[in-house]
Amino acid sequence: DAGVIQSPRHEVTEMGQEVTLRCKPISGHDYLFWYRQTMMRGLELLIYFNNNVPIDDSGMPEDRFSAKMPNASFSTLKIQPSEPRDSAVYFCASRAATQGPSGELFFGEGSRLTVL
Amino acid sequence: GQNIDQPTEMTATEGAIVQINCTYQTSGFNGLFWYQQHAGEAPTFLSYNVLDGLEEKGRFSSFLSRSKGYSYLLLKELQMKDSASYLCAVNRGSYIPTFGRGTSLIVHP
Repeated sequence: DAGVIQSPRHEVTEMGQEVTLRCKPISGHDYLFWYRQTMMRGLELLIYFNNNVPIDDSGMPEDRFSAKMPNASFSTLKIQPSEPRDSAVYFCASRAATQGPSGELFFGEGSRLTVL
Repeated sequence: GQNIDQPTEMTATEGAIVQINCTYQTSGFNGLFWYQQHAGEAPTFLSYNVLDGLEEKGRFSSFLSRSKGYSYLLLKELQMKDSASYLCAVNRGSYIPTFGRGTSLIVHP
């Protein structure tokens, strides 16, 4: 299996620009998670989907952030407009429902975002 | 809500044993994970505990006490490659893990 695939790996943009991060989960996984990691706050859950449906987006910092999952093999996280405080590593992770509560998350390599 | 506390940084010597502690306060506890994350890489799964006691897996062991809201990860026979961040994560009621800020472990010769 190819694992969770994220793109881009690195993105440098200027404040005010739109940023779109992409994720392809492991085939057959029912859950998809978007996390953000910073030194100050650690790994924070932004939103998660179950069977392509957003279940909990309470971690999305504000309206500038939006996430979609149009099908089982693709999700996007969009920031518009971006701000310097959005600079972080954004991880996508997936998990199979059949694993139950002990199921591990499989993480992508992350997208490192720098907003100047 | 829940709070998860881990030491920020620890150092240890190659070949030694180190214990990384994690305390948590949560409602709807459904298990605790430990993940390892090398610098610049993704977190990878190490262990899962849902019942009290010790789970051993090679050089790594994880312990849980639900009544105390406490877990530890024990690493034996430390190797240089064990230098990494170790993340404690608690499953909320809907089996969604919430992560602590991680403990950066530095192993020196």
